[in-house]
Amino acid sequence: DTEVTQTPKHLVMGMTNKKSLKCEQHMGHRAMYWYKQKAKKPPELMFVYSYEKLSINESVPSRFSPECPNSSLLNLHLHALQPEDSALYLCASSQKGGQGSVPSFFGQGTRLTVV
Amino acid sequence: AQSVTQLDSQVPVFEEAPVELRCNYSSSVSVYLFWYVQYPNQGLQLLLKYLSGSTLVKGINGFEAEFNKSQTSFHLRKPSVHISDTAEYFCAVSQSYNTDKLIFGTGTRLQVFP
Repeated sequence: DTEVTQTPKHLVMGMTNKKSLKCEQHMGHRAMYWYKQKAKKPPELMFVYSYEKLSINESVPSRFSPECPNSSLLNLHLHALQPEDSALYLCASSQKGGQGSVPSFFGQGTRLTVV
Repeated sequence: AQSVTQLDSQVPVFEEAPVELRCNYSSSVSVYLFWYVQYPNQGLQLLLKYLSGSTLVKGINGFEAEFNKSQTSFHLRKPSVHISDTAEYFCAVSQSYNTDKLIFGTGTRLQVFP
């Protein structure tokens, strides 16, 4: 199994809603990532978890809250989002965290629309 | 800070022809370089990477890339493409001491025609 699975594939939410994005991998990878990709733009790093600990937060607003319950799962909790947060949210994983580690596999992403 | 430039947003090519996708980077520190591929309706996948050593790097699916420090380039090549190579290709760079922070280029759409 060489997949990173993200759910849901599409999500429409209001600015007062609370929702969560989920990511799962069963490759035994120990680093997991959240990226945000706006239309016609490259992916931008949001968070990195290495060995289930948050190692990088790229100054992401607190309305985005990541969680890593275990080495296979990564969540992104959303609350009070703005329309400009609409984007494709990508999850990725790599075999190990830290030096020399880069995302090997990405999920298909969750297309988020904030209305 | 690092940046990546992919000059070609689209590259059309016929099947079995050679292809080169261009990538240039800028950085004031030592870098690592990567190419990712995104097939239609799929996630990105690491195609190949340059960390150190030989400047010619071989990746999956017959692709290779050459690191040229003097020209700050990392062009991706394949001698003979297939229809199945149709995809979006992203070049990316990271600082050599902090590979978690990848900076991506804007992508090149490779379209292979029969």
